[in-house]
Amino acid sequence: EAGVAQSPRYKIIEKRQSVAFWCNPISGHATLYWYQQILGQGPKLLIQFQNNGVVDDSQLPKDRFSAERLKGVDSTLKIQPAKLEDSAVYLCASSLANRGGRPPLHFGNGTRLTVT
Amino acid sequence: TQLLEQSPQFLSIQEGENLTVYCNSSSVFSSLQWYRQEPGEGPVLLVTVVTGGEVKKLKRLTFQFGDARKDSSLHITAAQPGDTGLYLCAGPSDSNYQLIWGAGTKLIIKP
Repeated sequence: EAGVAQSPRYKIIEKRQSVAFWCNPISGHATLYWYQQILGQGPKLLIQFQNNGVVDDSQLPKDRFSAERLKGVDSTLKIQPAKLEDSAVYLCASSLANRGGRPPLHFGNGTRLTVT
Repeated sequence: TQLLEQSPQFLSIQEGENLTVYCNSSSVFSSLQWYRQEPGEGPVLLVTVVTGGEVKKLKRLTFQFGDARKDSSLHITAAQPGDTGLYLCAGPSDSNYQLIWGAGTKLIIKP
């Protein structure tokens, strides 16, 4: 099966600019996650979708970050305006319907964002 | 608050040596997952342990879930450069459907 696709792979922007990331999950996976991973740390969940509904966005900085999954398939994550501390790898993952956190996550290769 | 602490944070050893890394918590987890993340890639699931005391083997990697389901270990025998990566453990939260992640152990195996 095709894996989780993410684009772009790398992005360099100046602070206060905007940026968008795209993710296409594995076909049939109802649950989609966006994670932020700062170098050398574990992933931090930003938002979790179940189909096209938001399950958890408690750690999403909503004043600058937004995400959507309009048709329940692919998703975009946007940052506007970017800050220096947003420099990180943004990982998209998908899984079968999440009941109790059991199903394994399948990750894309991420987008490495550098904010200068 | 459920937390997962991984140790050591960083480990650099020679090819052929054995090593053990740990994932500890003061909370009980219903299961724990181990992932390996290579540079420039996303984490890849290695194993899920579910039963207290369970031992699972994946070639030279041995995973153990503590009897009380509060900790887990990963032992690598005769480490090879291909084992280099960030090893992450994760477990489901009691209160929601999130996965709780450890900060990872960065492992470097020198040829």
